[in-house]
Amino acid sequence: QVQLVESGGGLVEPGGSLRLSCAASGFTFSDYYMSWIRQSPGKGLEWVSYISHDSNIIHDADSVKGRFTISRDNAKNSLYLQMNSLRAEDTAVYYCARYHSEFDYWGQGTLVTVSS
Amino acid sequence: QPVLTQPPSASASLGASVTLTCTLSSGYSNYKVDWYQQKPGKGPRFVMRVGTGGIVGSKGDGIPDRFSVLGSGLNRYLTIKNIQEEDESDYHCGADHGSGFNFVVFGGGTKLTVL
Repeated sequence: QVQLVESGGGLVEPGGSLRLSCAASGFTFSDYYMSWIRQSPGKGLEWVSYISHDSNIIHDADSVKGRFTISRDNAKNSLYLQMNSLRAEDTAVYYCARYHSEFDYWGQGTLVTVSS
Repeated sequence: QPVLTQPPSASASLGASVTLTCTLSSGYSNYKVDWYQQKPGKGPRFVMRVGTGGIVGSKGDGIPDRFSVLGSGLNRYLTIKNIQEEDESDYHCGADHGSGFNFVVFGGGTKLTVL
């Protein structure tokens, strides 16, 4: 069955960096577009970034443009999110999701807390 | 890009029916919307996509027949019949740019309480 498992979250100071990972299994990872979506505590969902199956197409939300970088390694069935210059407002649970005309599978999320 | 509006809460009694609403902002009446169910501490789960003609494509894995959708004008509806305790969740609607895909927006979510 399709599984997406995020890791790499934690507590980081403002201005710091963090790299999230998402391990995919149960499907042919290289066939699918993937995305990161976040959810601030008690709030709704916010789309963060998106990458095509071959990494040729990448789109980022304006709120993270220039600070976050999405990437993938199809040989390792893994999706990544490099987060730099982190701000308090980046505090959220970060989900990776498979995109197949909709976000049809999501992971359980990893919590990122930006605080001094 | 469209703005999606959802009421923050809804409630229904066990065994009853409830309809959740997602409203697109003016000018986006042709947009399809995806519904997602999210239980506490879990990632969202795709329910189904809805346009003005009703369901688009297939339901998500394991979504019961009790769940159905309709679309009219700027509104996209998710109806749950014969509500069960396990239906108590947050329900989010989302819309993307389709094949152009350069943005995705979500509504604020509706917390459904089963009484």
